[in-house]
Amino acid sequence: AAGVIQSPRHLIKEKRETATLKCYPIPRHDTVYWYQQGPGQDPQFLISFYEKMQSDKGSIPDRFSAQQFSDYHSELNMSSLELGDSALYFCASSSRVGNQPQHFGDGTRLSIL
Amino acid sequence: EDQVTQSPEALRLQEGESSSLNCSYTVSGLRGLFWYRQDPGKGPEFLFTLYSAGEEKEKERLKATLTKKESFLHITAPKPEDSATYLCAVQPSNDYKLSFGAGTTVTVRA
Repeated sequence: AAGVIQSPRHLIKEKRETATLKCYPIPRHDTVYWYQQGPGQDPQFLISFYEKMQSDKGSIPDRFSAQQFSDYHSELNMSSLELGDSALYFCASSSRVGNQPQHFGDGTRLSIL
Repeated sequence: EDQVTQSPEALRLQEGESSSLNCSYTVSGLRGLFWYRQDPGKGPEFLFTLYSAGEEKEKERLKATLTKKESFLHITAPKPEDSATYLCAVQPSNDYKLSFGAGTTVTVRA
């Protein structure tokens, strides 16, 4: 079965640079979620999109923005990167029909030098 | 604010030694409680959804149960391949985002 695809898998950036993370949800899923998982921590919700519209916002810094495109893929844009942004970034997708569970990709590991 | 507390933080088991993981939660109305398994460097892998108190779900050596305040994940006769971090998450009735607990890291020795 198709899964959530994230790219790149690994990304190394320096402070104050920008980064773009991509997520391709499972086909026919209408909702995309972004989570941040710091070392040894649980995933923290950042932002979500339902049918290409932002539906909820969590603890996402103002330096970060995201959008969902007409083909349902989503991108998380991160600017003025800081050392504390080093983390695993997960994308998940689900269908609100029947309240299906969220399925996660394998994440993008972002390292800030 | 939704809160999820998992215990213990870590669990070391001998192969075949059954045990239980606890997930206590407070949420303003529960849409669903979810259990995930996470291997190092990988995304959380969905295991179970529980919707109401009294509900139980089973899959191979795993069984999840739910009460109004907590959920248990029972591991029966575990094998080394059951070694992973098990995450519990709640979804409130007025929202779709997940609030996760810190997880229980299970190590099963052969």
